[in-house]
Amino acid sequence: GESVGLHLPTLSVQEGDNSIINCAYSNSASDYFIWYKQESGKGPQFIIDIRSNMDKRQGQRVTVLLNKTVKHLSLQIAATQPGDSAVYFCAENSGGYNTDKLIFGTGTRLQVFP
Amino acid sequence: DTGVSQNPRHKITKRGQNVTFRCDPISEHNRLYWYRQTLGQGPEFLTYFQNEAQLEKSRLLSDRFSAERPKGSFSTLEIQRTEQGDSAMYLCASSRGQGVGETQYFGPGTRLLVL
Repeated sequence: GESVGLHLPTLSVQEGDNSIINCAYSNSASDYFIWYKQESGKGPQFIIDIRSNMDKRQGQRVTVLLNKTVKHLSLQIAATQPGDSAVYFCAENSGGYNTDKLIFGTGTRLQVFP
Repeated sequence: DTGVSQNPRHKITKRGQNVTFRCDPISEHNRLYWYRQTLGQGPEFLTYFQNEAQLEKSRLLSDRFSAERPKGSFSTLEIQRTEQGDSAMYLCASSRGQGVGETQYFGPGTRLLVL
């Protein structure tokens, strides 16, 4: 029914703490990865990306780590703020010659408490 | 606002009716994508265009769905004979289209409810 799929993995953190959101991707041939933030009723918003020739990339308050050995991606948010509350999706792009689609994970809901 | 725009933002229709959604990509972005997102799930790829050419279509895009990008700028997604299972958020994204694996920027989506 409608409740299926609403039970996203949820991470609850206190304001000011660091958050770590994890993602397992499926295709070992994927060479480009993106993290998106999606607030209720809005489209996904780009946060940070990383290519497979890197294992770490930093942005403003965010860091993405890539472990190709175990096909794992993580997003670290420093000093989490209430405005960071949203659903976070990782996405992969296999980078094949005839395809440019993103494959999204199931998402993690981040709840920030004051 | 120079982001991706989509119209309408919400659409309620009766089963069996046809609906059409419009997407305007970021200016000078050559690649345009359509995704569908159901409640609690990540977006699922439907199709994408490089300029006016439709390069890939997902098996999710049944015969009732058609997408066009006639002049390589805006795109339309039409659903014919809508079914209740078509109820979802339809998202459009665009990228520069200078290579594979570029950042895709999403619009706000069109939420479709089929009664």
